[in-house]
Amino acid sequence: AQSVTQPDIHITVSEGASLELRCNYSYGATPYLFWYVQSPGQGLQLLLKYFSGDTLVQGIKGFEAEFKRSQSSFNLRKPSVHWSDAAEYFCAVGGQNFVFGPGTRLSVLP
Amino acid sequence: SQTIHQWPATLVQPVGSPLSLECTVEGTSNPNLYWYRQAAGRGLQLLFYSVGIGQISSEVPQNLSASRPQDRQFILSSKKLLLSDSGFYLCAWTDRAARLEAFFGQGTRLTVV
Repeated sequence: AQSVTQPDIHITVSEGASLELRCNYSYGATPYLFWYVQSPGQGLQLLLKYFSGDTLVQGIKGFEAEFKRSQSSFNLRKPSVHWSDAAEYFCAVGGQNFVFGPGTRLSVLP
Repeated sequence: SQTIHQWPATLVQPVGSPLSLECTVEGTSNPNLYWYRQAAGRGLQLLFYSVGIGQISSEVPQNLSASRPQDRQFILSSKKLLLSDSGFYLCAWTDRAARLEAFFGQGTRLTVV
């Protein structure tokens, strides 16, 4: 069965700074990888997904993620964070079933 | 288009009472169905998933059970609720190979008192 880890429980960055959220997965076959965002009191919104092809994928709201098979990673990045990006971010892997990581809470300082 | 319905939206139940949460999907056939729980300040914990009618896989031993009586219906149940069952419950579906994104219901906020 697949699994996902997100090593950082909570990250704080200043508005305008760059951001990288880490995600590592475990899956024996080609993974289908996803990043979701959940704002307080809101449902889950898909930011981006990777199935195959170009290992750098672009998503909504200026986010991108890079798939690195050798490191079993799918880290999420944004070059300049906005205060509205404060939320909970979940990495997920599909394939056999659909499993989420524990999430990383992002706080943004003004 | 596909839609997923989950009800009720909120529920307050006493300890020891039964539970039944229902989820139905429209506009797709043979979906994989999932129940997740999100406790306060915690991530999304996969509770059950199903790849077909009557086929249920349990990810975490607990006080809950799930059933899939029809292709697009997924039910989460408990015979006797515990305080620790409080949380936000989300139903979701994916395509059979779980290659596409997961689509979520609006969730049920369960408070056990």
